[in-house]
This record gives sequence, structure tokens and C-alpha cells, in this order.
Amino acid sequence: EAGVAQSPRYKIIEKRQSVAFWCNPISGHATLYWYQQILGQGPKLLIQFQNNGVVDDSQLPKDRFSAERLKGVDSTLKIQPAKLEDSAVYLCASSPRTGRNGELFFGEGSRLTVL
Amino acid sequence: EDKVVQSPLSLVVHEGDTVTLNCSYEVTNFRSLLWYKQEKKAPTFLFMLTSSGIEKKSGRLSSILDKKELFSILNITATQTGDSAIYLCAVVGNNDMRFGAGTRLTVKP
Repeated sequence: EAGVAQSPRYKIIEKRQSVAFWCNPISGHATLYWYQQILGQGPKLLIQFQNNGVVDDSQLPKDRFSAERLKGVDSTLKIQPAKLEDSAVYLCASSPRTGRNGELFFGEGSRLTVL
Repeated sequence: EDKVVQSPLSLVVHEGDTVTLNCSYEVTNFRSLLWYKQEKKAPTFLFMLTSSGIEKKSGRLSSILDKKELFSILNITATQTGDSAIYLCAVVGNNDMRFGAGTRLTVKP
């Protein structure tokens, strides 16, 4: 079974530029998450989708971050404009369950460096 | 505010040693606690604990939850260099999954 796919693996940009990350979850997984993991910290939830609807985006900095999951399958996370503090690994995870109680399957992450 | 605190933050041991990693939490309406192993790739699932006092075991790894004292431990016996990783604890409460900062374990040959 294919795992969660993410791209790009690495991205270096200058502050105020924009960047987009893509995630393809495991086939059939209804729930998709984007997490931000800053060096030395645990992953922090940015947004949770169930199918193509947003379940929780309370911690998404909506002035610069946006995410969509148009057809209920793959998803993109965009940052525009980027700030230095956005340097982090952006992890996508999926789950076959609709709640958050249960194992999440993570992708390998997209490492963003903002200069 | 919900909190998940892991200790120690980092640990260096030699092959064959036994290690105990700690995770304490304060969450509203606790539902479950999960342990993940994060190497340079994606975090991979180890255990999910929901009931107090029931040990989950997989090979050299085991974990137990104490819901009264609000903590969990992850034990690794006979450590190997391949156990070197960051071990993440996540707690689910009120439909929110919150991660700790992780424990970085380094196992030296």
C-alpha cells in the first residue's frame, strides 16, 4: 500500500516569497491533516480536512496560510508571503477515521527554509 | 490549556542499555495517548493507549498508561543503534491531538 506522498521534500525561499506544498494521502483515507514542526518542537496542527471540508483550522495563520482539498483527495498548503518564522517541516498525515482519535499516517514532510 | 510534556528532552545511551521515556499530560476529556518514532523520515506509529495499567508490547518496546497520575512511559530494552530517533508522545482530548516536543534518543555502538 502506498504511503502519504508529499512534495517538494525541500524548499528554500526568501522572506515575502510564496511557496506551495502538495500532499496525496493514502487511498481511501477520509481525513487529512497538515502539521507544522519547528525544529526542537512537536508537530502543531494547522488544519484538518474531512473529505473536502475543513474540520479545524483554528491554528492556521489565515493572513498568510491557506489550504485546500478540492476533490477530497490530495491537498495543497500555501504560504504567502513567507516569514522567517515559517521555517519548519510541514507534515501531511491521513487517517481512515473521521475523528482524531487513532493512528495517523504521516508523509516524509516538506522542509521549508525561509532566508 | 492542554499540555503534553516529555522528558528527558534528549538521552544518550550505549547499545544494550534499557531506556525509559516519559510523557505527562494535562488535557480535557482524555481519550487516548499515542507514541510515534520519528527518524529522518515520517513519524511512524508505535502504540495507542486508552486504558490505565494495560501494557502494550511490541518486541523490545513496551508502553503503559497511568490515567490517575496522567502519564505514560515508553520502555526500550536491549537498545540498538537503529532505535536512535525522536520519540513523540501525542494525547487526544476533546477531539484535539496535541504532541509533546519529543525525546531525542541516541544509541551509541
